[in-house]
Amino acid sequence: ETGVTQSPTHLIKTRGQQVTLRCSSQSGHNTVSWYQQALGQGPQFIFQYYREEENGRGNFPPRFSGLQFPNYSSELNVNALELDDSALYLCASSLGGAQGNTGELFFGEGSRLTVL
Amino acid sequence: QQQVKQSPQSLIVQKGGIPIINCAYENTAFDYFPWYQQFPGKGPALLIAIRPDVSEKKEGRFTISFNKSAKQFSLHIMDSQPGDSATYFCAANFGNEKLTFGTGTRLTIIP
Repeated sequence: ETGVTQSPTHLIKTRGQQVTLRCSSQSGHNTVSWYQQALGQGPQFIFQYYREEENGRGNFPPRFSGLQFPNYSSELNVNALELDDSALYLCASSLGGAQGNTGELFFGEGSRLTVL
Repeated sequence: QQQVKQSPQSLIVQKGGIPIINCAYENTAFDYFPWYQQFPGKGPALLIAIRPDVSEKKEGRFTISFNKSAKQFSLHIMDSQPGDSATYFCAANFGNEKLTFGTGTRLTIIP
């Protein structure tokens, strides 16, 4: 069973640029969620995708957007990067949907974004 | 309403001691309360979880105590080991596997 994988692991961008982060969900999982973890803080919910549709969004501006593909992998896009966007971006997959609301998320190791 | 408050921020315990981490919430719609363990450079990993209809759950050396009326829950680690040194997050599910996390507790177990 393959776990959640994320890429890239580290990247550096400058303010105003755009970034795309990628996530492959754990085998059999149809739901992908993205979280932002600032240094020394707990993860904050950005949004969730279920069957290629956005299924809930946290308190993040529209410049944070996402996609989910038919194979359940996902992308997080952030436009017009700001210094405060520097964080660890975590992808989590779960069974979701018809499998029941277990609440159990499986996290990847994250993508560390630094905005200069 | 969506917040989970976690304390302490950091904790140092001698090997064999019982660290206790506490969390409190306001939203009674939360229906699942997991604890995650995170090592430096890694993503959070599910440690143990409880639903609000249960007052206690044990898995190995880890125990969750849940007080529904007080809207509080806590993690106890029995016979703590240096390998337990990590950051621990409590969380609450606000629907369809969406979690709100506490701010974390950095635990250090001294040999």
